[in-house]
Formats: sequence, structure tokens, C-alpha cells
Amino acid sequence: AQTVTQSQPEMSVQEAETVTLSCTYDTSESDYYLFWYKQPPSRQMILVIRQEAYKQQNATENRFSVNFQKAAKSFSLKISDSQLGDAAMYFCAYYGGATNKLIFGTGTLLAVQP
Amino acid sequence: GAVVSQHPSRVICKSGTSVKIECRSLDFQATTMFWYRQFPKQSLMLMATSNEGSKATYEQGVEKDKFLINHASLTLSTLTVTSAHPEDSSFYICSAHTGGPTEAFFGQGTRLTVV
Repeated sequence: AQTVTQSQPEMSVQEAETVTLSCTYDTSESDYYLFWYKQPPSRQMILVIRQEAYKQQNATENRFSVNFQKAAKSFSLKISDSQLGDAAMYFCAYYGGATNKLIFGTGTLLAVQP
Repeated sequence: GAVVSQHPSRVICKSGTSVKIECRSLDFQATTMFWYRQFPKQSLMLMATSNEGSKATYEQGVEKDKFLINHASLTLSTLTVTSAHPEDSSFYICSAHTGGPTEAFFGQGTRLTVV
């Protein structure tokens, strides 16, 4: 069965600094998608970034980028120039055709210090 | 981006009563909707998958007679918590999809408190 692991329950970063959130996953599928979602205190789930497994190039969205290592089954999120509004719970998620559903990690609570 | 509206955002009900939560896709047709439950400081736990015009598929351990899901149209799915008890108090979130979960749009969630 597919699993998603986030080993950092909490992280902290200084405003304007860079932080990396870790995510590893386990799957036997070759074609799948990986996501990072942000859940701020409002609890609205917001898609941060998406990566298709067949693409070797790492996805980027403005200050957010990923380091996708398919062989190692690793999918980390880098947030550059951290802002106070980045403070939130971040969930890594996996989707594969075998299950047709999103599988979420346990989340990393990110604090941004002014 | 696509908008998913979930209503109500908060509800308090008495133990033993039923409460209905609606999930609407406002500007697109959702072939599939998912319902999640989230406990404080925890991840989203998938409860069921709802496909328009067919019976919902429940995850293992989720009581289908307690959590009734109806997906009567391509824009509306409802979750009814029947005979609610305090242990049903939680945050419930829906997501709507145009195809698979590769394009998932989430509702703002419903905080249910059973007293």
C-alpha cells in the first residue's frame, strides 16, 4: 500500500530565510502525482505545488520549489524568502491510479518568526 | 481557480439529532467528491468517495449508516451525520474533482460540535 511520511512535526524559520520540509513516500506504481498542500489557521486547504512523477524537472511556483528524487522516493518542499503568511500546516500528498484517492502525510507545522 | 463551497462552516447540534453538510462545486461539474475528517493537529482522514449518481464508497472503519453520503448532481454532494454523538465532533472537509484527484478543490470545511 502507498504511504506518505513527513518526519518533521514542527519546523521554524526566520522571516526572509529559506526552509525545507521533508516528505518521503512508498509506492510500487511508476506513474503518480505528488502534492504539497498548505492549511493555514483558517483550515482552507490550498494547493502549493504539484509534481508529475514522469517529469524529471522539479516543479516551481514562485518562492516554492520541490526536490523530487524518484529513485529515493523523496519529495521535499523548499520555501524561499519566507513570509509571515507562510505560517501554516503543510501536508505532502500522493495520488496514484491504483487507489484513485489522495493519501496525505501527517503534516508539518511551520512557524515563521519575524 | 475553481470554487468549492461547503456549508455550514460551523454547526452545533444536540446528541441524537442529525446534521447535513453540503458541498457544492460552484463553477465546474464534479464527477467525484471526497469527504474527509480531520482531528485537531492531525492529517485528513478519508471517509468516503462520492461519485455522481452512484453509491458512495466508504473507507474501512467508517460506518456508512451513520455517515450518509448523497451525490445527486454533478455540483452537489451531501454528508449527513445521523444520530450524532459527542465523539462525532470534528472538522469535516470535502473536495471536488473534475477527473481524478490530480485537480482537487477543497471546501472551507465544517466544524461540527455535538453537545
